[in-house]
Amino acid sequence: DSGVTQTPKHLITATGQRVTLRCSPRSGDLSVYWYQQSLDQGLQFLIQYYNGEERAKGNILERFSAQQFPDLHSELNLSSLELGDSALYFCASSVEARPEETQYFGPGTRLLVL
Amino acid sequence: GENVEQHPSTLSVQEGDSAVIKCTYSDSASNYFPWYKQELGKGPQLIIDIRSNVGEKKDQRIAVTLNKTAKHFSLHITETQPEDSAVYFCAASSMDSNYQLIWGAGTKLIIKP
Repeated sequence: DSGVTQTPKHLITATGQRVTLRCSPRSGDLSVYWYQQSLDQGLQFLIQYYNGEERAKGNILERFSAQQFPDLHSELNLSSLELGDSALYFCASSVEARPEETQYFGPGTRLLVL
Repeated sequence: GENVEQHPSTLSVQEGDSAVIKCTYSDSASNYFPWYKQELGKGPQLIIDIRSNVGEKKDQRIAVTLNKTAKHFSLHITETQPEDSAVYFCAASSMDSNYQLIWGAGTKLIIKP
């Protein structure tokens, strides 16, 4: 158990809909990362937050947005969903924002868009 | 920008044999190289990392080597066991990538009994 929690574990929705994925980082971690992992694909970095502020952006679509709240939990919002958005979405956290910080991954949210 | 290539995509070895996974990177300024292991149904977990001022690092049955001249680094697993079956990801970070980790595509390691 990494100490990172993600809810829900599974999500099934329809095209065009909007969903929110939630992540609670490890206690004391200030940085949160979001990743997308499609079937048989690697990890695609989406976005990073540090202490409530956006730190870095990766290959995040304009239909996707995220935020980190004062209590440090984070939410990833996916809107106008398409079939291709079906994937595993991971949240990871680290103490600080430096790349050499160990990232602790949550168990993921499996999203299926029908 | 930084690019990380990982080979092979799938590796099948006999239990007890060694496994080697290789990654190459493009940015000579890259300075941090972690390896993560993803077991089935779980998120990735850091297993070992190396910094650019070190050529080799070992932790029990796993080791990582770094060749800065050739810009490649490798994960070595000796005396493989069934629990080593997983997907392994390499990554690299550099100023060129705004210090974000750039991930390899992953290697599925299969340990045959």
